Amino acid sequence: AQSVTQLDSQVPVFEEAPVELRCNYSSSVSVYLFWYVQYPNQGLQLLLKYLSGSTLVKGINGFEAEFNKSQTSFHLRKPSVHISDTAEYFCAVSVPLRNTDKLIFGTGTRLQVFP
Amino acid sequence: KAGVTQTPRYLIKTRGQQVTLSCSPISGHRSVSWYQQTPGQGLQFLFEYFSETQRNKGNFPGRFSGRQFSNSRSEMNVSTLELGDSALYLCASSEGQVGSQPQHFGDGTRLSIL
Repeated sequence: AQSVTQLDSQVPVFEEAPVELRCNYSSSVSVYLFWYVQYPNQGLQLLLKYLSGSTLVKGINGFEAEFNKSQTSFHLRKPSVHISDTAEYFCAVSVPLRNTDKLIFGTGTRLQVFP
Repeated sequence: KAGVTQTPRYLIKTRGQQVTLSCSPISGHRSVSWYQQTPGQGLQFLFEYFSETQRNKGNFPGRFSGRQFSNSRSEMNVSTLELGDSALYLCASSEGQVGSQPQHFGDGTRLSIL
């Protein structure tokens, strides 16, 4: 079975500071990795995905993430955050070898950006 | 292209009633998945449909059911509602190529049980 751990439930940061949201996963088979963002009263929006290839993945809104197979991590980073980045961020995995699109999510990290 | 559309956005029911939620996927998408989001349990997978067939099912009681129509639209039904069913129900669609194409989410239906 697969699982996803987001170590930080909340991350407070000042505007224009860098931020890292941590994600670790557990799986005995290869997985695809995703980061989604959820703004209040909205659904989830895909930030970026890792399927294969380069371990550094660039996404929308200036976010990037790095896949580290040995540490089973997929941390999300942004060099300079804005107030508008305040939202809930979810890391998720899917298993490509199985006949399903099912996503397994972490518990989420609430990013709060202060002026 | 229009995104994933879920109706209604908000719903209030009482215990024991049943409810049907609707999801219209992005045009051309053949796979539809449903998730339940609660503060306590987070995002949990309910079920997934592809070409009108249930492809995968999460660990929810039989009161939760779904179906998909020939135009890829999907509905989920919850019977004999319980207080614990209060949640945001999210629908997601994808092209159907398993795992490689990301799922696109609707804004959800917020179900409140009184």
